[in-house]
Amino acid sequence: SAVISQKPSRDICQRGTSLTIQCQVDSQVTMMFWYRQQPGQSLTLIATANQGSEATYESGFVIDKFPISRPNLTFSTLTVSNMSPEDSSIYLCSVDLADSEKLFFGSGTQLSVL
Amino acid sequence: GQQLNQSPQSMFIQEGEDVSMNCTSSSIFNTWLWYKQDPGEGPVLLIALYKAGELTSNGRLTAQFGITRKDSFLNISASIPSDVGIYFCAGPSGGGADGLTFGKGTHLIIQP
Repeated sequence: SAVISQKPSRDICQRGTSLTIQCQVDSQVTMMFWYRQQPGQSLTLIATANQGSEATYESGFVIDKFPISRPNLTFSTLTVSNMSPEDSSIYLCSVDLADSEKLFFGSGTQLSVL
Repeated sequence: GQQLNQSPQSMFIQEGEDVSMNCTSSSIFNTWLWYKQDPGEGPVLLIALYKAGELTSNGRLTAQFGITRKDSFLNISASIPSDVGIYFCAGPSGGGADGLTFGKGTHLIIQP
């Protein structure tokens, strides 16, 4: 497995502001993913963070709202922009080690938007 | 994309009881994965299945990859309090996309 450090672990933010979530992995990985888990719900893939190129977004998610950076093979950030209460969720970073189709997750960022 | 139907949605059991939950998909999967999520944590991988008919154990947990490749089940024997949590099935998103698609989860609650 891998050690995946995600921060902040939680935050309370005001409507209209932006929050950047960081994800650091203790080994180089090709595939990094960002998921959203709305209260009481399952996990939904936001985007695949590609090293050296733009992220690939899933249907319903756009770059202007969720810009992603992937400057190297061990780090990625997800920004939640212009937040509204509907963005209150857990945001999870995950990695696929050795393209095994097994994802390993960080502990998540609990975001509450007032 | 892939659709996963997971049941039951929640289970209320007594400590020591066995637990069974299952997942069905609208299309064929080549991989089935089972995760557990504790409150305030990310999901943790329990078992990965790669072949139709495969039966794999991890301690008191046993999971099987259905012969039709459209279903999987997870059993927990002799449940203990630390088994409480949400269990998710997952499979490759397919259609050329990376990442996993997750079921809606089974919330396991153990009554004293």
